[in-house]
Amino acid sequence: GAGVSQTPSNKVTEKGKYVELRCDPISGHTALYWYRQSLGQGPEFLIYFQGTGAADDSGLPNDRFFAVRPEGSVSTLKIQRTERGDSAVYLCASSPGLAVLNEQFFGPGTRLTVL
Amino acid sequence: AQSVTQPDIHITVSEGASLELRCNYSYGATPYLFWYVQSPGQGLQLLLKYFSGDTLVQGIKGFEAEFKRSQSSFNLRKPSVHWSDAAEYFCAVGSNTGNQFYFGTGTSLTVIP
Repeated sequence: GAGVSQTPSNKVTEKGKYVELRCDPISGHTALYWYRQSLGQGPEFLIYFQGTGAADDSGLPNDRFFAVRPEGSVSTLKIQRTERGDSAVYLCASSPGLAVLNEQFFGPGTRLTVL
Repeated sequence: AQSVTQPDIHITVSEGASLELRCNYSYGATPYLFWYVQSPGQGLQLLLKYFSGDTLVQGIKGFEAEFKRSQSSFNLRKPSVHWSDAAEYFCAVGSNTGNQFYFGTGTSLTVIP
């Protein structure tokens, strides 16, 4: 079956612009995670959804970052007033349940470059 | 606070040689521990995980890892490395009170013929 997909694969934007990054999880997976991976670093937790609700958004760096999952499937990570420091690969992962007890399946990521 | 340390940024081994990648964690309770592999252009893939029980866990692709509570370590091993094992390896700890994962900075593995 299909894995986790993320679009676009690459996004180049200018400082101050708004961007949306999309994640299509594996069908039926209730848990969805967003991570940010900067160059030379491991993935950094941003937010976790269980169904439609954000169960834990403590990893979002500031209020410019926001994520939604309105129907409990597709999720969109939204970044307002982008800054050069936002440049990174944004990873999405889905899991059939709590990820500490189930396997997380990662997408290939969206590489965001802010000029 | 939870954290994961991977002391080796880069390791080079010869094909057929044994491999050990180091991982140390800091966590107040019994940790959930994971090893992931990330190949170029691919998403992270779970190699193995430890929750409880037997401290030696077997994973996919011939990898194993040993949990040592006294050393706060969860080192990844493979008896004989194949060229296709060249990739980035990440150790991670998952909190049992929430749903957060903390990843190390990764170890890049190069395999030479």
